[in-house]
Amino acid sequence: GENVEQHPSTLSVQEGDSAVIKCTYSDSASNYFPWYKQELGKGPQLIIDIRSNVGEKKDQRIAVTLNKTAKHFSLHITETQPEDSAVYFCAARGYQKVTFGIGTKLQVIP
Amino acid sequence: GAVVSQHPSWVICKSGTSVKIECRSLDFQATTMFWYRQFPKQSLMLMATSNEGSKATYEQGVEKDKFLINHASLTLSTLTVTSAHPEDSSFYICSAHFWRDGDTQYFGPGTRLTVL
Repeated sequence: GENVEQHPSTLSVQEGDSAVIKCTYSDSASNYFPWYKQELGKGPQLIIDIRSNVGEKKDQRIAVTLNKTAKHFSLHITETQPEDSAVYFCAARGYQKVTFGIGTKLQVIP
Repeated sequence: GAVVSQHPSWVICKSGTSVKIECRSLDFQATTMFWYRQFPKQSLMLMATSNEGSKATYEQGVEKDKFLINHASLTLSTLTVTSAHPEDSSFYICSAHFWRDGDTQYFGPGTRLTVL
C-alpha cells in the first residue's frame, strides 16, 4: 500500500517568515495530493490540493509543488501569521484510498 | 467548499454502553463517506469506507462488529461503537466525498469520545 512520509514533525518560524513542509510517497499510481490544516479539537480542513498533471499550484500565501519523478511534494506558506499555527497533514490518494502523513505542528511566533 | 457535520461533538459514556455518532453532508449528496480515528498528536487512521446502500469496507485490524457503520442515505452515515471500553476513547472524524468535486474529501469537525 501507499506510504507517506512527512517532515519536519514540528516547525517554528517567526511571524512573516516562510514555512516549508515536505512529503514523499511510495505509490507511483497516486494522482491526488491534498493538504489539510487541523486546529486543536477540530476536524481537518482542506487548504490546497494538487493533481498529478500539475507541477505547482498557488492560492494566495499558500503554494504546493509536486515532483512526480521523485515522488515528493511540498507545502509552502509565505508571510506566516499567528493564525497559521496548527497541525498540517499531507496526503496522497491512490486507488480509492487517501493515506495521510504523520503531521507537522507549525508554530508561528509573533 | 462542502459542509460536513458530526453529532455529537463530544460524548462521555460508561464502559459497556454503545455510542452512536452521526455524520451528515449538509449541502451535497455524498457518494462515499469515510470514518477515521485519531489518537492525540497522531495522524488520521482510516477505519472504514462506506457507500450509500451497501456494506462498509473495513480496514485491516478494525473490528466490524465493534464499530458498526450504516450509510442509509446519501447525506447520512452513522458509526456505532458497541460495548465501549476505555481503550475506545479517541477522536472520531468522518469525511465525505462528493462526486462532482473529483477526489476531494470534506471532513467533519470530529467527535471526542471518552469512555469511563
